[in-house]
Amino acid sequence: ILNVEQSPQSLHVQEGDSTNFTCSFPSSNFYALHWYRWETAKSPEALFVMTLNGDEKKKGRISATLNTKEGYSYLYIKGSQPEDSATYLCALRSGGSYIPTFGRGTSLIVHP
Amino acid sequence: NAGVMQNPRHLVRRRGQEARLRCSPMKGHSHVYWYRQLPEEGLKFMVYLQKENIIDESGMPKERFSAEFPKEGPSILRIQQVVRGDSAAYFCASSPVGTGNEQFFGPGTRLTVL
Repeated sequence: ILNVEQSPQSLHVQEGDSTNFTCSFPSSNFYALHWYRWETAKSPEALFVMTLNGDEKKKGRISATLNTKEGYSYLYIKGSQPEDSATYLCALRSGGSYIPTFGRGTSLIVHP
Repeated sequence: NAGVMQNPRHLVRRRGQEARLRCSPMKGHSHVYWYRQLPEEGLKFMVYLQKENIIDESGMPKERFSAEFPKEGPSILRIQQVVRGDSAAYFCASSPVGTGNEQFFGPGTRLTVL
């Protein structure tokens, strides 16, 4: 059983603040890391798929980095907006498996 | 291009009844995954199917649960003789042939067992 940890569990920030959170995972046999954004009452929406050590991906104000040697990925949100409020999930795939192991997510609330 | 469809969105069953949850993948996707989200927990993998084949069911309870993805029609997750502990949100995701990469999620079915 793979242990995918996300921290913090929840985060409250003010509109305009920049924020970041962490996904930690076992570094051995790494294949890919996925980030999803999950708004309440909706379905998880794919943000990034990261496969290479040192990968950096960006989508608007959201970016992510990957360190497969030490087993972590950071998700950054620049200038948070209330519409960024959601749970951000990471999911690890190891050893070429199609089956991802999900973390429990970081719940972000952005206050206007 | 419609997204992943799941129905029903909400399902209420009494203990001992059967629950059938349906998932229609995105057009062109032949890989389907079912996940369960129990209260206060994350998404847990249950089963991975391709058309007419179960590829990996390692996350599915051995008893009362079954899944299929027929040649025609939606994928179905079937729970027989439901118990209160089966109450959860069940999500389906699909991905295109041959990549196994990005998964597209449906809106989920929330099962409540009375």
